Amino acid sequence: QVQLQESGPGLVKPSETLSLTCAVSGYSISSGYSWGWIRQPPGKGLEWIGNIYHSGRTYYNPSLQRRVTLSLDTSKNEFSLKLNSVTAADTALYYCARHILTGNWFDPWGQGTLVTVSS
Amino acid sequence: SYELTQPPSVSVAPGKTARITCGGNDIEDKSVHWYQQKPGQAPVLVIYYDSDRPSGIPERFSGSNSGNTATLTISRVEAGDEADYYCQVSDSSSDHPLFGGGTKLTVL
Repeated sequence: QVQLQESGPGLVKPSETLSLTCAVSGYSISSGYSWGWIRQPPGKGLEWIGNIYHSGRTYYNPSLQRRVTLSLDTSKNEFSLKLNSVTAADTALYYCARHILTGNWFDPWGQGTLVTVSS
Repeated sequence: SYELTQPPSVSVAPGKTARITCGGNDIEDKSVHWYQQKPGQAPVLVIYYDSDRPSGIPERFSGSNSGNTATLTISRVEAGDEADYYCQVSDSSSDHPLFGGGTKLTVL
């Protein structure tokens, strides 16, 4: 059973870089699948951030592409998100999830981690 | 880019049938997936490929897709079904994942 767990700072200052990690258990991320990040501002809907394939190839939301970097660490079986030059608009619950490439859906999801951008 | 339209809210009495729609231009040509998000919890996939149910999802949950509207149907609604529901497709031009705005299901 695949499980995902996000971790990282809950508070980031404006203009700095948001860094989150998603630890995967129950499956080796280097074996296959794609892995994604989705965020949800407080009281709002879901926004896809990007996906990273087990090969390391990445796909980003065009609205965030200039500021986002996804990476894999197969030795730790985890993948990471970096979002630079953050503003208050980046305050959100950040979820990691397994991305099913053939159908382009996400299952399962991590529990999510709240990141607040504030000085 | 492609746009998805969901009603902000749907209300239904216990035991009745709830229908949550997801509108988009020729959405029938796309595969639609549905997620349930209960308060304070992460989204859970409840329908994929328009009408398939992941293991563990009750048969009360079903999906359909025709014309410009995809529909998530919940039969014999229970209080525990109260949640936000999101549809998701692949964007036409980029194939990137795209979510609808979400529908809050209230069980009266």
